[in-house]
Amino acid sequence: DTGVSQDPRHKITKRGQNVTFRCDPISEHNRLYWYRQTLGQGPEFLTYFQNEAQLEKSRLLSDRFSAERPKGSFSTLEIQRTEQGDSAMYLCASSKKGLAGAEQYFGPGTRLTVT
Amino acid sequence: QKEVEQDPGPLSVPEGAIVSLNCTYSNSAFQYFMWYRQYSRKGPELLMYTYSSGNKEDGRFTAQVDKSSKYISLFIRDSQPSDSATYLCAMSSFRGSYIPTFGRGTSLIVHP
Repeated sequence: DTGVSQDPRHKITKRGQNVTFRCDPISEHNRLYWYRQTLGQGPEFLTYFQNEAQLEKSRLLSDRFSAERPKGSFSTLEIQRTEQGDSAMYLCASSKKGLAGAEQYFGPGTRLTVT
Repeated sequence: QKEVEQDPGPLSVPEGAIVSLNCTYSNSAFQYFMWYRQYSRKGPELLMYTYSSGNKEDGRFTAQVDKSSKYISLFIRDSQPSDSATYLCAMSSFRGSYIPTFGRGTSLIVHP
């Protein structure tokens, strides 16, 4: 069990560019979550998958954001036409089905800076 | 008013002190109550969670839930400088996957 991994750890991009982040969950976990965290705030839920199905999306997830989990393993989060307000830490978490969503394990995050 | 309120601190204590961290909430449907520790520029780390009311102890950490007052606490005994971090409370109710709502976190500094 190597834990949740995220790539890249840091990303600096210019406004208007597209960016894609990757998350690899703990191998036996079939639920995967994406969150966004800004300085001084707690994580805010964006979306979650059970296996390959995207089951819920937050109102925070604008049309510029899209997430996939094509084979029920790793997931990608893409942001199109980035804006300065997208600058944040993007966190991925995973959990087993059957346990409460309380027991989520987070990755180290991807820090996005939009200039 | 946010669903989960948490004082951002910072809370500064001497090494060895008992630390009390707290959150209040407004949604009476919350059933699971979690505490995460987050070091600077790292992802949150789950410390413990409780279901409904009561206490739960794990080593130097004790979590308490008072649903009648909508108030939860995390106590840290014999605090160490390595406990210096931001502590996030989170709560969830059944919505298919118990997606948690987080507080903003309390910054704790334990000085030697």
